[in-house]
Amino acid sequence: GAGVSQTPSNKVTEKGKYVELRCDPISGHTALYWYRQSLGQGPEFLIYFQGTGAADDSGLPNDRFFAVRPEGSVSTLKIQRTERGDSAVYLCASSLGLSGANVLTFGAGSRLTVL
Amino acid sequence: GQQVMQIPQYQHVQEGEDFTTYCNSSTTLSNIQWYKQRPGGHPVFLIQLVKSGEVKKQKRLTFQFGEAKKNSSLHITATQTTDVGTYFCAGPAGGRGSTLGRLYFGRGTQLTVWP
Repeated sequence: GAGVSQTPSNKVTEKGKYVELRCDPISGHTALYWYRQSLGQGPEFLIYFQGTGAADDSGLPNDRFFAVRPEGSVSTLKIQRTERGDSAVYLCASSLGLSGANVLTFGAGSRLTVL
Repeated sequence: GQQVMQIPQYQHVQEGEDFTTYCNSSTTLSNIQWYKQRPGGHPVFLIQLVKSGEVKKQKRLTFQFGEAKKNSSLHITATQTTDVGTYFCAGPAGGRGSTLGRLYFGRGTQLTVWP
């Protein structure tokens, strides 16, 4: 597609529920990133994919968070047993994945609210 | 771990005044990027600086990369109401030789422009 597409744009859930957030990157971009942004803060790195594999998942806060990218394109961020502290805007970004040119194109984000 | 610090956190200026935001890294960076996030929007790439001491201009915006490649600044001349938003700097993890992978974002400088 022309840009990075994220769905849903808004998700309200109850504490303890399971949530999936989807990201469709720019066609041809091999690198895909998930960030989390809380109000008044900069984007916080969660995980980075190069192709199908998670090249760096050091930003995932705990084992309730998991992300996949099975075919090297669309990615899903999965959050189990959601907690109120998980409320944030989850941003997906993609880039060409070339050395020296990891400029990120962000999607509009998925706003998650955990009640 | 690596941190990217930004000051000031907030800046309020009258239209026509100049604005500067500063970014400092605890480690030497291979490159630094700047992004702008409009209220309610997502971060949008502005520019990437790679060389020590590099200066780049985009109309009224001037970006600098320090000689030691550990600091950067963004200066806006004669601000306009369209400049409103939060400006983030971001540097790659892994220090001097790293150009791929996660970007660490600063907390951002939120610019408000009074007409």
